[in-house]
Amino acid sequence: QVQLQESGPGLVKPSETLSLTCIVSGGSISYYYWSWIRQPPGKGLEWIGYVYSTGSTNYNPSLKSRVTISLDMSKNHFSLRLSSVTAADTAVYFCARDHWGLPGIWGQGTMVTVSS
Amino acid sequence: QSVLTQPPSVSAAPGQKVTISCSGSTSNIANNYVSWYQQLPGTVPKLLIYDSTERPSGIPDRFSGSKSGTSATLGITGLQTGDEADYYCGTWDSSLAAVVFGGGTKLTVL
Repeated sequence: QVQLQESGPGLVKPSETLSLTCIVSGGSISYYYWSWIRQPPGKGLEWIGYVYSTGSTNYNPSLKSRVTISLDMSKNHFSLRLSSVTAADTAVYFCARDHWGLPGIWGQGTMVTVSS
Repeated sequence: QSVLTQPPSVSAAPGQKVTISCSGSTSNIANNYVSWYQQLPGTVPKLLIYDSTERPSGIPDRFSGSKSGTSATLGITGLQTGDEADYYCGTWDSSLAAVVFGGGTKLTVL
C-alpha cells in the first residue's frame, strides 16, 4: 500500500522560499501524477500543481510564476518550491498521488506558517 | 471564488438520503471525470468517488456519484453521524489546464 509523507519547515519568513518534500513509500514513483494541494486554515482545497513520472509538470495558473515541482526517481520522492511567500500562503500542504488522473492517495499534510 | 460551485452546507436526519451538487462548465465537468472527497474534521481528504461514478475499494455503496452535462452529484444514503464532514468535488479544467475543486459542502447529520 503506497504511503506519502510530507516533510519540511513549519515556519517560513515572508519573501522567502517554501520548500517541501513528499517521500513515497510502498510503491514506485513511476507512472503516476504527483500533486501538491494546499488548504488555508478554515478554507477549501487549492491545487498547486503536479509532476508526472517523466518529469513533465503542470501548475495552477494563479501560482505558476512562483512554483516549481520536481521529482527524484532515485530517492522516490518529489518536491515543492514556492517562492516569495506571503501570509496568504499559510496553509496545510498535502502531497498526493493520482487515481485515474485526479488526486487519490493523500499524505497526512504539513502545516506551513508564513510569519516573521 | 471556486471554478466549481457547491452549496456551502446541507443537512439531513440519520438514516435519510442527501445529495450534494457540483456545478461547472463545458471546460471542466462536461468533458472530464469528477472525483469526490470526504474530509472528516481535522483529517486528510479521502477519495470517495472517481471517474464520476466509481467507488474505490473499501468505500461503502451508500456513497454514489453521477454526472449530467455540466453538473455532478454525490449521493449519500443511510446517513450516519459519522458522515458529518466537508465534501469536495474535483475535476480537470481543460481551459485552465489545471485541477479545480469546489468550495466544499459541510454535511450536518441532525
